[in-house]
Amino acid sequence: DVKVTQSSRYLVKRTGEKVFLECVQDMDHENMFWYRQDPGLGLRLIYFSYDVKMKEKGDIPEGYSVSREKKERFSLILESASTNQTSMYLCASSPLGTSGSYEQYFGPGTRLTVT
Amino acid sequence: AQKVTQAQTEISVVEKEDVTLDCVYETRDTTYYLFWYKQPPSGELVFLIRRNSFDEQNEISGRYSWNFQKSTSSFNFTITASQVVDSAVYFCALSDLSGTYKYIFGTGTRLKVLA
Repeated sequence: DVKVTQSSRYLVKRTGEKVFLECVQDMDHENMFWYRQDPGLGLRLIYFSYDVKMKEKGDIPEGYSVSREKKERFSLILESASTNQTSMYLCASSPLGTSGSYEQYFGPGTRLTVT
Repeated sequence: AQKVTQAQTEISVVEKEDVTLDCVYETRDTTYYLFWYKQPPSGELVFLIRRNSFDEQNEISGRYSWNFQKSTSSFNFTITASQVVDSAVYFCALSDLSGTYKYIFGTGTRLKVLA
């Protein structure tokens, strides 16, 4: 079974802190994604990566950056956390497809609270 | 532009009732993929089904069935004889060529099955 793990289930940080959210997948998937999930808004894509050291902006990249130094690991970085970044963060991975035809496998999520 | 609409925000049914979750999509591509995911209270999204635009056959998997109709741009999901364990948030998603690896998720439908 594909397994996607995220470093924390719950995280509380202060405004202005630098926050790292880690995601690891064990199925040698090329694609990895970071989403945030907010009530009434569904899942919104922050960044994705289709290869090591490659990254693409999603729909809401402002205030975030990412790092993919190894194929299995995709990190989301909040450079200076703000209260409007309080949310559930979901990581996902999928095999390489020509048009996004493969299903994504999700981690359990990290619920981040910024105070 | 790509869009996925799940107009039903929340549905409550009594156990053993049948329930249909609606999904309407918009895309200009002729090749695209549709997905359904389940998010139980634990938070982890679970893949349920993938359907490509060239296959309009309905699919049945146990108590789950999916009705794909290109004429109405809909990909509806029916649970027959619902059970309490079906209580979750269900997301419909679209992926097409213009979106490359990106998925567009609907806002989700929360299903509550009452004992």
